[in-house]
Amino acid sequence: QKEVEQNSGPLSVPEGAIASLNCTYSDRVSQSFFWYRQYSGKSPELIMSIYSNGDKEDGRFTAQLNKASQYVSLLIRDSQPSDSATYLCPEGSGNTGKLIFGQGTTLQVKP
Amino acid sequence: ETGVTQTPRHLVMGMTNKKSLKCEQHLGHNAMYWYKQSAKKPLELMFVYNFKEQTENNSVPSRFSPECPNSSHLFLHLHTLQPEDSALYLCASSQEWDFSYNEQFFGPGTRLTVL
Repeated sequence: QKEVEQNSGPLSVPEGAIASLNCTYSDRVSQSFFWYRQYSGKSPELIMSIYSNGDKEDGRFTAQLNKASQYVSLLIRDSQPSDSATYLCPEGSGNTGKLIFGQGTTLQVKP
Repeated sequence: ETGVTQTPRHLVMGMTNKKSLKCEQHLGHNAMYWYKQSAKKPLELMFVYNFKEQTENNSVPSRFSPECPNSSHLFLHLHTLQPEDSALYLCASSQEWDFSYNEQFFGPGTRLTVL
């Protein structure tokens, strides 16, 4: 059974610091990985998709994928209190659009 | 309207009531999804429709009945629910189901409380 593992946190960082969020996967076959941000009481919002090994940058966000080691990470530079949320990192499941979700990591950015 | 919309945003119903949740996507997508999110649990996929055809039903109790009249609209009909069905129900859409790189976009959700 495919699983996504995330440290549920909370991960607490001071404002302006780099927040590092990590996920590990059980399935080497997965080709697609995503990062979603979910504010309390709201729905998940897609931040980034990553399909190839290496880094992908978008503004303050950098996603890093290592398929051989089965992990993906998200770095948030210059963290802001508005980044405080739960971050989800589902993996795509084989040849379908199914996403496998973990519990998510709660990030707290303290002013 | 843009993106994925859901109505109602909040719903309180008794165990004997019948209600429906509505989802509409304005993204030109062909796949639509229902998810359930309970406190402290990962998102649970309930149903998937691809080009109006149901492709996934993850052992969801029959008191939840989905309907997809076209690629833009998705309904979840509810009847004789239980208190443990109280949760955030999320609708999502993506370009199509048979594609592992497709990104899913979520609606705002319906917060359901069953009394």
